[in-house]
Amino acid sequence: EAGVTQSPTHLIKTRGQQATLRCSPISGHTSVYWYQQALGLGLQFLLWYDEGEERNRGNFPPRFSGRQFPNYSSELNVNALELEDSALYLCASSSLIGGEQYFGPGTRLTVT
Amino acid sequence: GENVEQHPSTLSVQEGDSAVIKCTYSDSASNYFPWYKQELGKGPQLIIDIRSNVGEKKDQRIAVTLNKTAKHFSLHITETQPEDSAVYFCAAWDSGTYKYIFGTGTRLKVLA
Repeated sequence: EAGVTQSPTHLIKTRGQQATLRCSPISGHTSVYWYQQALGLGLQFLLWYDEGEERNRGNFPPRFSGRQFPNYSSELNVNALELEDSALYLCASSSLIGGEQYFGPGTRLTVT
Repeated sequence: GENVEQHPSTLSVQEGDSAVIKCTYSDSASNYFPWYKQELGKGPQLIIDIRSNVGEKKDQRIAVTLNKTAKHFSLHITETQPEDSAVYFCAAWDSGTYKYIFGTGTRLKVLA
């Protein structure tokens, strides 16, 4: 069974630009979570999508947004990039609310 | 809301020794506690989890114990091997805010 996949692996953007990150969940999983992991730090919850709807968001500004498509894949958009947005962005999927969550390999976003 | 504290932040053990990482949580309503292993450049990997109706769970060399009264849970790794070297994260499912709360991570080094 294929795991969670994310693309691209690396993304380099300039301050002020927009970034789009993509995630494909494990087949059969309807929930997708997004996390930000700054270098050497823990995981900060960004967004949760389930059945196409945004169910919860963390303490991040509105320029972090996303969506979930009918096939349950998801996209994270970060507008007006700032230097401090440089981080590893992780996507995870789950088939059960409050159950096992499986992570993808992440997208390393670098803002210069 | 839920808060998860994780200790220690770094841990060095000799190969073959045991390692113990402890997390405490604040919300007695939390009922699901996973542990993740993150190797350099990779996404977190779910290694073991426990639900609040169980006191202990074991899977080969790793085990997790849960003390609901004291609100803490611990990861135990026996007969450590160099490949156990990684950052370990604990988490708790916050059923009030519908998100996973992560600890700050423990960097485990197994010395050969």
